[in-house]
Amino acid sequence: GEDVEQSLFLSVREGDSSVINCTYTDSSSTYLYWYKQEPGAGLQLLTYIFSNMDMKQDQRLTVLLNKKDKHLSLRIADTQTGDSAIYFCAAFQTGANNLFFGTGTRLTVIP
Amino acid sequence: GAVVSQHPSRVICKSGTSVKIECRSLDFQATTMFWYRQFPKQSLMLMATSNEGSKATYEQGVEKDKFLINHASLTLSTLTVTSAHPEDSSFYICSVRVANTGELFFGEGSRLTVL
Repeated sequence: GEDVEQSLFLSVREGDSSVINCTYTDSSSTYLYWYKQEPGAGLQLLTYIFSNMDMKQDQRLTVLLNKKDKHLSLRIADTQTGDSAIYFCAAFQTGANNLFFGTGTRLTVIP
Repeated sequence: GAVVSQHPSRVICKSGTSVKIECRSLDFQATTMFWYRQFPKQSLMLMATSNEGSKATYEQGVEKDKFLINHASLTLSTLTVTSAHPEDSSFYICSVRVANTGELFFGEGSRLTVL
């Protein structure tokens, strides 16, 4: 299996940058995802990164992957109140065809 | 727009009845769909992997006779919660993985409440 871990809570002030961290245990994970879940809603795919990349940027989102340390982070620049949600990281193992989720990090943006 | 449609979004049923949840892939053919369950304030838990035209693969601890999965076509997978009990109340989410990019698209989820 795979253990994916995240811190449970993060609070930031509006306009600051948010960094959400995630660690995983299985180095064979090929795709790593970040999802956003707003209250009562399904998951929204924010971005993903292949395991052979170390960085991906998409507008306000920057994903950093340290494959050696099995550490993934999501940076949200200029965080807005609308960014308040739970953010899940997930690791996909192609061979096992399984997706493993972290516990989610609840981001609270303080106006 | 949404590429995965899940229906119904909310369902309330009496204990002992069965409930069917549909997951449709709108923009592409899905040979593999996944079903998850989310308990309050917890992360998603993969229940089963649904393969078109064959039996679903269930995760350890998930009762296959309780949670019936059918993936009869390339665009539709269904999850039937049989003889539902209050402890089955949960948020059920399906997802579809695009084979060539690895992207996962999720349905909006179905909140089941068993009285």
